[in-house]
Amino acid sequence: EIVLTQSPGTLSLSPGERATLSCRASQSVSSSYLNWYQQKPGQAPRLLIYAASRRATGIPDRFSGSGSGTDFTLTISRLEPEDFAVYYCQQYTNFIFTFGPGTKVDIK
Amino acid sequence: QLQLLESGPGLVKPSETLSLTCTVSGGSISSSYFYWGWIRQTPGTGLEWIGSINYSGAIYYNPSLQSRVAMSVDTSKNQFSLKLDSVTAADTAMYYCAKYNWNDDTFDMWGQGTMVTVSS
Repeated sequence: EIVLTQSPGTLSLSPGERATLSCRASQSVSSSYLNWYQQKPGQAPRLLIYAASRRATGIPDRFSGSGSGTDFTLTISRLEPEDFAVYYCQQYTNFIFTFGPGTKVDIK
Repeated sequence: QLQLLESGPGLVKPSETLSLTCTVSGGSISSSYFYWGWIRQTPGTGLEWIGSINYSGAIYYNPSLQSRVAMSVDTSKNQFSLKLDSVTAADTAMYYCAKYNWNDDTFDMWGQGTMVTVSS
């Protein structure tokens, strides 16, 4: 099973700042199968980025993803008030799905 | 607009079976492009995939839960279900059903979740 590690655990930033979130895999992951989700309190996760770098429908272009192999990054170019949330990476390999532990982006 | 809604008991006794159903509305469960999955979330273990099933009954389970899990689909009711045997306090979690889209390999739609507590 591929284990995903996310860093930092918490990122404290101000609106308008840039957020850079990291997701590292214990083994190489196909970029086609690396996704990012956003979760706000009391809500289900919502798909943000799929295939490492493609924005899901309706996701603003301030969200971008990059990376390959074992290192992936989610970047929020300028934080809006609604972006303060928890972000999870997720991978799919050999019919098994795993999620990272999440990075919480909170208001500084 | 496709929607998913979980239902089932919010309290289950230890050693008993947890049973949940997800009702899909606004679209058909019988699409070859979709699988239907269960994912749970706890503060301690985060998000954990439980298993996925398609309309014809093809199933993938998380190996760590495989011995206790059974999923099924009822196309006539547009529903799919989860059974988890021999539950313990460690199975206390928020349980989500979700649509898995083979086109882009994502869980692109989720239910609101249902909290299940295992306690006597």
